[in-house]
Amino acid sequence: AQSVTQLDSHVSVSEGTPVLLRCNYSSSYSPSLFWYVQHPNKGLQLLLKYTSAATLVKGINGFEAEFKKSETSFHLTKPSAHMSDAAEYFCVVSFGYSSASKIIFGSGTRLSIRP
Amino acid sequence: SAVISQKPSRDICQRGTSLTIQCQVDSQVTMMFWYRQQPGQSLTLIATANQGSEATYESGFVIDKFPISRPNLTFSTLTVSNMSPEDSSIYLCSVTLGGEQFFGPGTRLTVL
Repeated sequence: AQSVTQLDSHVSVSEGTPVLLRCNYSSSYSPSLFWYVQHPNKGLQLLLKYTSAATLVKGINGFEAEFKKSETSFHLTKPSAHMSDAAEYFCVVSFGYSSASKIIFGSGTRLSIRP
Repeated sequence: SAVISQKPSRDICQRGTSLTIQCQVDSQVTMMFWYRQQPGQSLTLIATANQGSEATYESGFVIDKFPISRPNLTFSTLTVSNMSPEDSSIYLCSVTLGGEQFFGPGTRLTVL
């Protein structure tokens, strides 16, 4: 069965320190993996995506994620947190490339930034 | 890419009434997906709408409560029927195109 697990419901870091948001997936197939961000009262915004090309994926706003097949992980990182990074982050898994592909959302991680 | 619009963007409804949410995509797609995001929660898939056939509902969601129409390859509607305060959520439609997921801006529903 396909699933996605975000290991932390809430992460709090100080401004200027590194960010790590963890995501593990379970799949019988080669998945596509995504990170989305949702700021309060805003729509979902795609941060980055992995679709079987380079395992280290760079996204917007300085975020990046590394696909590790051996660990079935796709953790999101950023070297230096900014106050504007405070938001909800969702790890998302998609199985297939056709328009019939279904996606599964992780439970979300709320990122707080301390001044 | 795909651009998705939804109407209405938000609404406040009375208990026992129904609301129909429209979703329009600027590309032809085989399937459209409807999600619900309850306050403070992640997104949960309600159903998958395939043009020309009945929608497929996920566990916990039924057609009588969430009827869906899919008249063509660029449009779908989701109706929230006989609403209760527990239906207060953001409802989003989504499509998959070229291996990427695109989401509408969502419809914020409040049921009093």
